[in-house]
Amino acid sequence: DAKTTQPTSMDCAEGRAANLPCNHSTISGNEYVYWYRQIHSQGPQYIIHGLKNNETNEMASLIITEDRKSSTLILPHATLRDTAVYYCIVRDPTSGSRLTFGEGTQLTVNP
Amino acid sequence: DTEVTQTPKHLVMGMTNKKSLKCEQHMGHRAMYWYKQKAKKPPELMFVYSYEKLSINESVPSRFSPECPNSSLLNLHLHALQPEDSALYLCATAGQSIGSYEQYFGPGTRLTVT
Repeated sequence: DAKTTQPTSMDCAEGRAANLPCNHSTISGNEYVYWYRQIHSQGPQYIIHGLKNNETNEMASLIITEDRKSSTLILPHATLRDTAVYYCIVRDPTSGSRLTFGEGTQLTVNP
Repeated sequence: DTEVTQTPKHLVMGMTNKKSLKCEQHMGHRAMYWYKQKAKKPPELMFVYSYEKLSINESVPSRFSPECPNSSLLNLHLHALQPEDSALYLCATAGQSIGSYEQYFGPGTRLTVT
């Protein structure tokens, strides 16, 4: 599975959009981009995933560049409860079941 | 029901003890996972069960012994652990192990080995 690069930490003001970038320049055609987050002392939580097209659900939006070498997770109106470590993971779902977590981005939402 | 439960929440054990961690799901998922997470590090995959059969063992030491007695339960048997095995142990489930299924994680068991 392709390696991802994320900033170590980011800050965001409450109520503003949080835009979390992820670089996956070696992504291959079968690989999806997944986002999970982990609030302190809890298990990781699935957020969203996509292959090529932009995706939106009740939690977030996922924007994938046309060349698929990078993506951005958008939390449209961040709240204090969105403070967490956000993991961007690239995975080929047909090749096996591994979710390989990188170091992730610590997002801190400030009041 | 989209919940994965894990018991106990906390466990302290000595190096000569035998203990077990338990994970339960009622979502009808056919893939179940054990992860280990050290402090301030990302989760690391340990084992994968698919349709109640062990499909992946990430070279985990034999002092960790997984068991999947039925499609709803996943156990991790612990024996002769070392202090460096202290960590958060996470269970996860997914519809299947192959495919773009999201994984649902339990809250974890925080293990301390003394």
